[in-house]
Amino acid sequence: DIQMTQSPSSLSASVGDRVTITCRASQDIRNELGWYQQKPGKAPKRLIHVTSSLQSGVSSRFSGSESETEFILTISSLQPEDFATYYCLQHHNYPFTFGPGTRIDMK
Amino acid sequence: EVQLLQSEAEVKKPGESLKISCKGSGYTFSDYWIGWVRHIPGKGLEWMGIIYPSDSNTVYSPSFQGQVTISADKSTSTAYLHWSSLQASDTAIYYCARDPLWHDPFDIWGQGTMVTVSS
Repeated sequence: DIQMTQSPSSLSASVGDRVTITCRASQDIRNELGWYQQKPGKAPKRLIHVTSSLQSGVSSRFSGSESETEFILTISSLQPEDFATYYCLQHHNYPFTFGPGTRIDMK
Repeated sequence: EVQLLQSEAEVKKPGESLKISCKGSGYTFSDYWIGWVRHIPGKGLEWMGIIYPSDSNTVYSPSFQGQVTISADKSTSTAYLHWSSLQASDTAIYYCARDPLWHDPFDIWGQGTMVTVSS
């Protein structure tokens, strides 16, 4: 199975901050990775697919990129509604695997 | 509107069987995989497996192979997740979600089904 690691596991931030979360795969997954946001008691919501494509209807303050072996989710200016947990998901090989998640809470 | 509607919360005893459902609407159900994801509150998301309703091709995560059965009925646009003998460790929220044929998961999610297994 492809193992996904995420960092940090949690972070404290303020409204207006620029936030970056990274995912790393245990092997090459090409661009086959998405990012998801989950709020307590709610279903996850896809933000980014195939590494850098913004999901329709999602704010442009979210962006995805890749740097060498790392996949990066960036929130350019954190908003109050962005305090949540974020997961990456690789879909290059079965079984698809989620990263362990990054929780963003208010500083 | 494209949506996935899941069945209501369930409370079961250990050893009981259970089948929960996920009904798609607003799109051609057979043209998309349906995946199942487990979320134990306080823990992360786990990919359980997927089914392609058009031909019932099913792929399981090794972690869930033999523990659950995924099925689908394309005539009713419904996917199912079935346990033959529940354990307390199956207590979780289960989500279904849509994935296109070429795999670009999951743009549409169900609202989740809470399953509680307790004696």
